[in-house]
Amino acid sequence: AQTVTQSQPEMSVQEAETVTLSCTYDTSESDYYLFWYKQPPSRQMILVIRQEAYKQQNATENRFSVNFQKAAKSFSLKISDSQLGDAAMYFCAYISNFGNEKLTFGTGTRLTIIP
Amino acid sequence: GAGVSQSPSNKVTEKGKDVELRCDPISGHTALYWYRQSLGQGLEFLIYFQGNSAPDKSGLPSDRFSAERTGGSVSTLTIQRTQQEDSAVYLCASSLAYSPLHFGNGTRLTVT
Repeated sequence: AQTVTQSQPEMSVQEAETVTLSCTYDTSESDYYLFWYKQPPSRQMILVIRQEAYKQQNATENRFSVNFQKAAKSFSLKISDSQLGDAAMYFCAYISNFGNEKLTFGTGTRLTIIP
Repeated sequence: GAGVSQSPSNKVTEKGKDVELRCDPISGHTALYWYRQSLGQGLEFLIYFQGNSAPDKSGLPSDRFSAERTGGSVSTLTIQRTQQEDSAVYLCASSLAYSPLHFGNGTRLTVT
C-alpha cells in the first residue's frame, strides 16, 4: 500500500518569509498525482496545488510552488512571502493513475505565521 | 449547489443512540470518500466508493460504522450505538477519477 509521510507536525514562519513543508511518499507506480491541501480553522479543505508525476516541471500557483523529486519520492511545498491567512494545517496527498486506488493523505503539518 | 453538501452541520447525540450523516456529492463525481477528523488531528480514512465497484471499507473502525451510496450519488454514513470516542468531524469528499477532491464542510458529531 502507498504511504505518505509528513515528518513535520508543526512549523512556524515569520510573516513575509519563506517556508518549506516536506512530504515523502512510497509507491511502486510510475504514473500518479500529488496534491497539497490546506485546512484553515474554518475546517474547509482547500486544494493548494497539484502535480502530475509525468511532468518534470514543478507546479506553481502564485506564492505556492513545489519541489518534486520523483526519484527521491519527495514533494515539498514552498510558500513564499508568507501571509497571516496561510496559517492552517497542510496535508500532502497521493493517488495512483491506475485502477481504483484511493487517495492517501499524510498526517499533516500545522503552519503558524508569526506577525 | 455546486459543491459537496453535508448535513447536518452539527449533531449532538446521547451515547448509545444511532446517527446518520448525509453527503450530497457534486453531480457526476464517481468517487466519494468519508473521513473522520478529531480536533486538531489529521484525516482518518473511513470508506471509499468508486463508481459501481465494491467500496473500500478498510478504514471503518468497527462494525458499528457502515455507509452506503445510493444510485451512485448521495451517501449516508451510519454510526450505531454511538460512543464518546466517536465524537469528531466527519468529512465527505467527491471527485472525478484521478482529479482533486472537493470537500464538504463536514458534520461535527458530539456524543454526550
